[in-house]
Amino acid sequence: DAGVTQSPTHLIKTRGQQVTLRCSPKSGHDTVSWYQQALGQGPQFIFQYYEEEERQRGNFPDRFSGHQFPNYSSELNVNALLLGDSALYLCASSSPAKAEAFFGQGTRLTVV
Amino acid sequence: RKEVEQDPGPFNVPEGATVAFNCTYSNSASQSFFWYRQDCRKEPKLLMSVYSSGNEDGRFTAQLNRASQYISLLIRDSKLSDSATYLCVVNPPGGTSYGKLTFGQGTILTVHP
Repeated sequence: DAGVTQSPTHLIKTRGQQVTLRCSPKSGHDTVSWYQQALGQGPQFIFQYYEEEERQRGNFPDRFSGHQFPNYSSELNVNALLLGDSALYLCASSSPAKAEAFFGQGTRLTVV
Repeated sequence: RKEVEQDPGPFNVPEGATVAFNCTYSNSASQSFFWYRQDCRKEPKLLMSVYSSGNEDGRFTAQLNRASQYISLLIRDSKLSDSATYLCVVNPPGGTSYGKLTFGQGTILTVHP
């Protein structure tokens, strides 16, 4: 049983560019959440997708957007990258009506 | 006030020691609580859920005090492999909030020989 998988694992982008990160949830999970983790901090909730719609959103600007596909996989898009967007981006999946979430290995984004 | 607060440490303990981590949360209506473990440059992994009655998993014991909005994790007989960052995690109230987790900053533990 494959766990949560994310791609790519590492990415270097230039300020102002756009980036797309991808996530496949754990089998049997239909809810995908995205988190940003800066160095030395705990993960911060970006948004959550369920039934192909954004169900909840954290305190992140509109430059951060996402999508969920019919197979429950998801994308995170970030436009107009800033140096401060450099972080580990984590995808987590969860099953219906269960609070615990399981994380992918993350995508380490560096903006130069 | 942060939603979830932890002492960032670091905690440096010898093998075999007992170590305790504490955490407080601000939203009294929070409904689910967890401890996650994160190794350096890896993803967080669920260590254990925390129940009101307290729960134990081998060398690990978690306690929840809803009145004080306080969560704890006790590790007995520490092993070198316990070295990691321990994240206190709270699920806020609301029916659609499942899977939306609020993390503390994390407490760094180093177990030395």
